[in-house]
Amino acid sequence: AQTVTQSQPEMSVQEAETVTLSCTYDTSESDYYLFWYKQPPSRQMILVIRQEAYKQQNATENRFSVNFQKAAKSFSLKISDSQLGDAAMYFCAYRTGGADGLTFGKGTHLIIQP
Amino acid sequence: DGGITQSPKYLFRKEGQNVTLSCEQNLNHDAMYWYRQDPGQGLRLIYYSQIVNDFQKGDIAEGYSVSREKKESFPLTVTSAQKNPTAFYLCASSIGLQGKETQYFGPGTRLLVL
Repeated sequence: AQTVTQSQPEMSVQEAETVTLSCTYDTSESDYYLFWYKQPPSRQMILVIRQEAYKQQNATENRFSVNFQKAAKSFSLKISDSQLGDAAMYFCAYRTGGADGLTFGKGTHLIIQP
Repeated sequence: DGGITQSPKYLFRKEGQNVTLSCEQNLNHDAMYWYRQDPGQGLRLIYYSQIVNDFQKGDIAEGYSVSREKKESFPLTVTSAQKNPTAFYLCASSIGLQGKETQYFGPGTRLLVL
């Protein structure tokens, strides 16, 4: 079974600084996809960024980028120029190329210090 | 506005009672999913459906049932067999069931046991 591990229960960063959230996963599949979701206090799950395992290039979305290390099975999220609105729970998620749902990590609570 | 709606926002269940959570989407997505979130935990997959009148068990299907009579609707019933139903329930949908398809989430329903 696939597992996703987020080793940082909580992270804190000063506004405007950069923070990196860690995620590792375990799989024997070669075709899979990785995601970062944000869950603010409203509890709505919002997609932040996604990465296809077959792509070597790291995905970027504005201030959000990933460091995808396939051999190490690592998928970290970097948030640049942190803003107060970035404060939320962040979940790393994995999905195979086949027909099933997402496997989530336990999340990292990100605090933004003004 | 296209999106996913879940109702009610809060639901209370008495001992031995079955309750049904509603999930509706107008995104014309084929695939729909139900997840459960417990405090301090990531989301766990309960059931998913790729097409009308077809659905599959996820990782924690015991004590739950679903139906998919219409493409836009995927209600979840929490039965009396579910001994610990207190949780936050999230519905999601995607265009298809393939791993590359991004899942979009509804606002969630919080279920509490009286």
